[in-house]
Amino acid sequence: DMQMTQSPSSLSASVGDRVTITCRASQSISNYLNWYQQKPGKAPKLLIYAASSLQSGVPSRFSGSGSGTDFTLTISSLQPEDFATYYCQQGNSIPITFGQGTRLEIK
Amino acid sequence: EVQLVESGGGLVQPGGSLRLSCAASGFTFSSYWLHWVRQAPGKGLVWVSRINSDGTTTTYADSVKGRFTISRDNAKNALYLQMNSLRVEDTAVYYCARESYNWNDFSPWGQGTLVTVSS
Repeated sequence: DMQMTQSPSSLSASVGDRVTITCRASQSISNYLNWYQQKPGKAPKLLIYAASSLQSGVPSRFSGSGSGTDFTLTISSLQPEDFATYYCQQGNSIPITFGQGTRLEIK
Repeated sequence: EVQLVESGGGLVQPGGSLRLSCAASGFTFSSYWLHWVRQAPGKGLVWVSRINSDGTTTTYADSVKGRFTISRDNAKNALYLQMNSLRVEDTAVYYCARESYNWNDFSPWGQGTLVTVSS
């Protein structure tokens, strides 16, 4: 199975900070990489698909980059509503697999 | 509004069965692949199964293969997950999700339904 490793596992930051979360695949997945945001008690929400395409309705402070095995999610200026858990997910091969999550907390 | 609403979760004993449903609205249901993803309490997301748009092709995670069956009724705009031989480790919130852009990406997701397997 394709292993997806996110770093860091948790992160403390302040409103206005620029934050980067990384995701590494155990093998090349081209750009079949998606990012989700999940808030407590809620379903995940798609932020970025195909590594760098912004989902409709998602603020432009979110961006994604990378291809092959290394990917990043960047939030350019953290807002209060961005404190949540973020997951990467590969869609290149079955079984579909997720990273373990990055919990973004308020400093 | 595109919406998915799960139902059918609950408490079941180990070895028991449960059928989850996912009602869809706001989009052409028969055009989309659909997935089930689960999340154990306090844990991460785990993909469970998928089904193609006309229901002829299904795929499963190894952990549920032979025990779970995904199906759909395009006339009713409904997705199902029949879960048999349930184990304690199947305890989770189960989400249905629509594959959105052919990147095996999921949007939207339903609100989830909790399945608890316990004696």
